[in-house]
This record gives sequence, structure tokens and C-alpha cells, in this order.
Amino acid sequence: DTGVSQDPRHKITKRGQNVTFRCDPISEHNRLYWYRQTLGQGPEFLTYFQNEAQLEKSRLLSDRFSAERPKGSFSTLEIQRTEQGDSAMYLCASSLAGGKPTDTQYFGPGTRLTVL
Amino acid sequence: AQSVTQLGSHVSVSEGALVLLRCNYSSSVPPYLFWYVQYPNQGLQLLLKYTTGATLVKGINGFEAEFKKSETSFHLTKPSAHMSDAAEYFCAVSGNQGGKLIFGQGTELSVKP
Repeated sequence: DTGVSQDPRHKITKRGQNVTFRCDPISEHNRLYWYRQTLGQGPEFLTYFQNEAQLEKSRLLSDRFSAERPKGSFSTLEIQRTEQGDSAMYLCASSLAGGKPTDTQYFGPGTRLTVL
Repeated sequence: AQSVTQLGSHVSVSEGALVLLRCNYSSSVPPYLFWYVQYPNQGLQLLLKYTTGATLVKGINGFEAEFKKSETSFHLTKPSAHMSDAAEYFCAVSGNQGGKLIFGQGTELSVKP
């Protein structure tokens, strides 16, 4: 069990550029979640997948954000036309879900995005 | 709708002293409650969770929490703080089928020698 991995760990970009983050969940996990954490706040839910299906998106996920999980394994989160307000830590989590909200979510180390 | 409030953004204790981190929740459905810990530059690690049944839940590293429905609380305690407990602690609630977590703002725990 290698845990949840995220790449890159840090990303600095200029306003208006596009960025893409990758998350590799624990291998047998069928659920994958994205959260965003700003300084001094708790993580906020963005979206989640069960296998390759995106089942829920937060209203925080504006049209500039898109997430995919094409083969039900790794996932990507893309932000287009980045804004300074997008600066945050983007966390990925995965779980082996039996349809219960109590299934433990295992978190990756996060990708820290800084938009200049 | 669900929400979590953590009382105190920063708590400081002496090594060996009792740790008490407060969490109150709001939920329109039976809540499932979690405590996570985050060390600097690391992801969140689950300390413990309440699902159903016994209201006193024991977790890793000597932490425990008690679910009190009448007080809508799920406070985290540890009898004796250790220097290695210094970290950010997050309380979270879940209740819907999707299992998404709603987090509180976090409490930073400092441990003084």
C-alpha cells in the first residue's frame, strides 16, 4: 500500500495560465475526492468520483475547473485561466466505498498552488 | 445541511497536560463524525471516527472522543500531551451517501516543554 500520491507537490504559475494536477489513489480504491484548503481554513469539498463517474460537484467548482478520472484509476484536476484566488492547497483523497459515508478517506500530501 | 464549528483556532498546553479540542456539529441527518490530524507539509491522517454504537471512540496515538447527541458535540481528548502531538486538528462530519466530508476550520495544537 503506497498511499495516495499527488503531483506536483508545488506549482507556481502566473495569472491567466492553465494548470493541471494529478492524483493517484490507493490502487483498489473506487472513490476519489478533491478538496481545496486555503490558509487557516479546513478543507472544502470540490468533487468526487466513483470509478470513472463524477457523481457530485460543489458550487465552488466554477466553469474554469474540470476534473476527470478516465479509467477509474488516477484523476486530474485542471484549472483554466487561473486567478489569484485559486491559490490554495489542493488535496486528493480516496476510499474503498461500500456505499457508506463512514468509509475512511485517505489523503494525499496535496499540491500547493500559488498564482502570481 | 451540515456544518462543523471548532472552538479555538489555537490551543496551547504543556507537555503531560490534558488535551481538549472542541468540536460542535450541525446535521439534519444522523451524523458520522471524524477527527483528522495534519502535520506540516503532510496530508490529513485519520485519528478516529464515530459511526454508530458506542459513543466513546478510541483512536490512534492515545486520542479519544465522545459523541454527545444532546450537546451536538464531538470533543477530542488525550490525557497527557506529547511534544509530537503538535499539529493541526480537524473535525469533520459526513452524512450523505456520497461520503463527502464537511470540515471545521481547524485547531492548531502547540505543546510546550
